[in-house]
Amino acid sequence: AQSVTQLGSHVSVSEGALVLLRCNYSSSVPPYLFWYVQYPNQGLQLLLKYTSAATLVKGINGFEAEFKKSETSFHLTKPSAHMSDAAEYFCGTLTGGGNKLTFGTGTQLKVEL
Amino acid sequence: DTGVSQDPRHKITKRGQNVTFRCDPISEHNRLYWYRQTLGQGPEFLTYFQNEAQLEKSRLLSDRFSAERPKGSFSTLEIQRTEQGDSAMYLCASSLDRGRENEQYFGPGTRLTVT
Repeated sequence: AQSVTQLGSHVSVSEGALVLLRCNYSSSVPPYLFWYVQYPNQGLQLLLKYTSAATLVKGINGFEAEFKKSETSFHLTKPSAHMSDAAEYFCGTLTGGGNKLTFGTGTQLKVEL
Repeated sequence: DTGVSQDPRHKITKRGQNVTFRCDPISEHNRLYWYRQTLGQGPEFLTYFQNEAQLEKSRLLSDRFSAERPKGSFSTLEIQRTEQGDSAMYLCASSLDRGRENEQYFGPGTRLTVT
């Protein structure tokens, strides 16, 4: 069954530092992978998605992710963290024939001055 | 495009009461999904509709839960005889039907607290 695993439930970075949030997938078929962000008491907003067109995917707010088949990874990065990036981030994959999203447990990003 | 909307945003109810939530998807989207998110977890799939047809239900959706999408537009999720374990954020999402490239857009959620 297709699934994703997020390593690190909490990540803390300084403002201006590199952000790296980890996601590994398990899939017997080429996966469709997504990163969503959730601010407190809000729904999920799509950051970016991988649909096999390109291995390096650029998203909104300066985020990008690289699909690495050899490492079964789809880590999310941002060169320079901003205070407004503090939120919870979810990696997800389409399962059930593309009918539903299966999410990881989430990573809470804290940005410190 | 006003996005996905959900009503109410917050609901506090006593154990044993029935509650109903509403979701209005993006107008041209024919797929509508319900997810449940408990504290510290990612959202978990509950059910989805294509137009008015409910095509899949998760095992999480017990007999006390029922979802409808009568005219293929808005949807309602009803929970009967609520239990404390039903306390969660209920998220609705919608998408076009584009096979595996379905991009789901989420609403702000309804936070249910059962006391």
